[in-house]
Amino acid sequence: DQQVKQNSPSLSVQEGRISILNCDYTNSMFDYFLWYKKYPAEGPTFLISISSIKDKNEDGRFTVFLNKSAKHLSLHIVPSQPGDSAVYFCAASEYEGAQKLVFGQGTRLTINP
Amino acid sequence: DVKVTQSSRYLVKRTGEKVFLECVQDMDHENMFWYRQDPGLGLRLIYFSYDVKMKEKGDIPEGYSVSREKKERFSLILESASTNQTSMYLCASSRDGVFGPQHFGDGTRLSIL
Repeated sequence: DQQVKQNSPSLSVQEGRISILNCDYTNSMFDYFLWYKKYPAEGPTFLISISSIKDKNEDGRFTVFLNKSAKHLSLHIVPSQPGDSAVYFCAASEYEGAQKLVFGQGTRLTINP
Repeated sequence: DVKVTQSSRYLVKRTGEKVFLECVQDMDHENMFWYRQDPGLGLRLIYFSYDVKMKEKGDIPEGYSVSREKKERFSLILESASTNQTSMYLCASSRDGVFGPQHFGDGTRLSIL
């Protein structure tokens, strides 16, 4: 049973436009959410996180939105750049600092020049 | 900068062999993790450890064991390798107590023939 779901395996966006990656979760105990980015032949790297007490967190070109009632979060990248082409994983935990993360399946983002 | 090093990038083993995957981190992190990444399934937690000689089962521990004799080193053991254990294996570490994202190694691509 997939508790964290990324329903779009891939997404293609033009350079300079907005990229929106979506993530849904089913476990209402999840309280903390993270996005990781993964390039081929490298391990995932942490990108941005959000606690359930917030509905938005921004870091430069990256913004994560959380809709707790819908159990949905999204990552917005504006403007998209070629270096953003990677696989993005959404992850969730029951509290900030929890050891155990549950990951989604990942979305492959391709930024076209 | 945190460095998580996995001993092999690629490994080919035969069915029934005992396989050891090694991971070392250099930041004195308390927590260490082993995941496997498969297409369409994302990252799934196999085992994690929050202290030397301590271990906890993740979501898919069957067929695996782990060893943590020193704080910086976490080993994943496939007792009797099977073809369904062919996968990308990722090690990660994190600091305990305060929130710190998990830092990943670059992965070991393991093929069981």
